[in-house]
Amino acid sequence: SQQGEEDPQALSIQEGENATMNCSYKTSINNLQWYRQNSGRGLVHLILIRSNEREKHSGRLRVTLDTSKKSSSLLITASRAADTASYFCVVGGTSYGKLTFGQGTILTVHP
Amino acid sequence: AAGVIQSPRHLIKEKRETATLKCYPIPRHDTVYWYQQGPGQDPQFLISFYEKMQSDKGSIPDRFSAQQFSDYHSELNMSSLELGDSALYFCASSLLRGGVNEQFFGPGTRLTVL
Repeated sequence: SQQGEEDPQALSIQEGENATMNCSYKTSINNLQWYRQNSGRGLVHLILIRSNEREKHSGRLRVTLDTSKKSSSLLITASRAADTASYFCVVGGTSYGKLTFGQGTILTVHP
Repeated sequence: AAGVIQSPRHLIKEKRETATLKCYPIPRHDTVYWYQQGPGQDPQFLISFYEKMQSDKGSIPDRFSAQQFSDYHSELNMSSLELGDSALYFCASSLLRGGVNEQFFGPGTRLTVL
């Protein structure tokens, strides 16, 4: 799979605010996934959006996908200190296999 | 729901020793992946197995080998350990027959080489 590029590299907000992270990619995709990793811990699969979907929700998460702009965004509403983590987007092509992670966005939510 | 299980969770070895990491995928998942994440780095793909056959290979050193057994669990064997092998090693599993490569990660094994 190709690598998605997350933006910004770091984001610092107050608890209760919304956090928006963006992901851009270069070629056509089959799907795009977002993962979260708390410091030094495992990777948690958050949400997958297919190329024929434009928006998807899961709890406080909202993911959008714009294939014409080759970009996706992850919105976390009403953020909590526990949302502090690194967030990675992974783009899936038409072939299956390894995931290629970018540098991720480091989100810090201050209580 | 059952998750990916990795053992051990922590491992301390000396240089030039060997280490074996184990991964138990989610039941009925057909594919296992291994990733290495160095300090402050993003996860890097090492190797994967689909239905017990190696399906893809990344930047895995020749000192490392892996296999998937008949019960679908996988082991990553690391020999002649070097200081630079200190990292978090993740195993992930997915059901590729489901048509989407949605990978579920284990908690990782933290390997420290002294």
